[in-house]
Amino acid sequence: AQSVAQPEDQVNVAEGNPLTVKCTYSVSGNPYLFWYVQYPNRGLQFLLKYITGDNLVKGSYGFEAEFNKSQTSFHLKKPSALVSDSALYFCAGSMDTGRRALTFGSGTRLQVQP
Amino acid sequence: NAGVTQTPKFQVLKTGQSMTLQCAQDMNHNSMYWYRQDPGMGLRLIYYSASEGTTDKGEVPNGYNVSRLNKREFSLRLESAAPSQTSVYFCARGTGTGEGRNTIYFGEGSWLTVV
Repeated sequence: AQSVAQPEDQVNVAEGNPLTVKCTYSVSGNPYLFWYVQYPNRGLQFLLKYITGDNLVKGSYGFEAEFNKSQTSFHLKKPSALVSDSALYFCAGSMDTGRRALTFGSGTRLQVQP
Repeated sequence: NAGVTQTPKFQVLKTGQSMTLQCAQDMNHNSMYWYRQDPGMGLRLIYYSASEGTTDKGEVPNGYNVSRLNKREFSLRLESAAPSQTSVYFCARGTGTGEGRNTIYFGEGSWLTVV
C-alpha cells in the first residue's frame, strides 16, 4: 500500500522569501516521488521527481525537493518565492510493485503575497 | 502542451444520463490514466491502461467504464450519471507501460456537473 500526505492546506509566504511545501509518504519499498503544480482551471504540470540517487532534486521554475528517507519526507522548496508561484501543489508517489499509478496527496495551496 | 487532448471541456448532465469523455494522446505512449479531482481530496485514480487493449481498476472505479481500443485513445464512460460524479476529470499519459518511476502528463481536464 502507498499513501502520500500533505499536512498543510495552505501556505502563505511573502515574495522574495524562501518557501517550503511539505509532503510525507508511506510506501512498502522504495518510493518514487513527484511534485506537480496546478494553476486555476488547468491540468497538472510536472515539476520534478525523485527516483534514486541524489537526495536533492532540481526541477522546473527554480523549484527543488529534498528526499529524506529517515523522515519519509519529500518537501518542495524554492529559495525566493514569486507571486506567480501562487498555485495548488500536489505531491504524489508510486512504486515499482503492485499498482504503479501515482497516488496523490490532497494538495497545498501556496499563496505568495507581494 | 502535455500532448493529451480531452473532450468535452465542460458538460452538464441530468441524473441517469450517460456520456463518454474522450481522451487522445499524440505521443504514442503505452500507459494512459483517468483521474478525478474533488476539493480537498487530491486526485483519485479511476482506471488505467498499461497498454493497448488492457485496462485495470483504480481506487474509485464504481460507476465508470473505460475503453482502450487503440494506443492513442482512452475513453471514460458514465453509464448512469449520479450527482456524486460531479467532478473534474483528468486524462493522463505515461511513458513506459506504467512503471512507477515514469512521469505522467495530464490533459487540461473535463468539468462535469450532474444535476
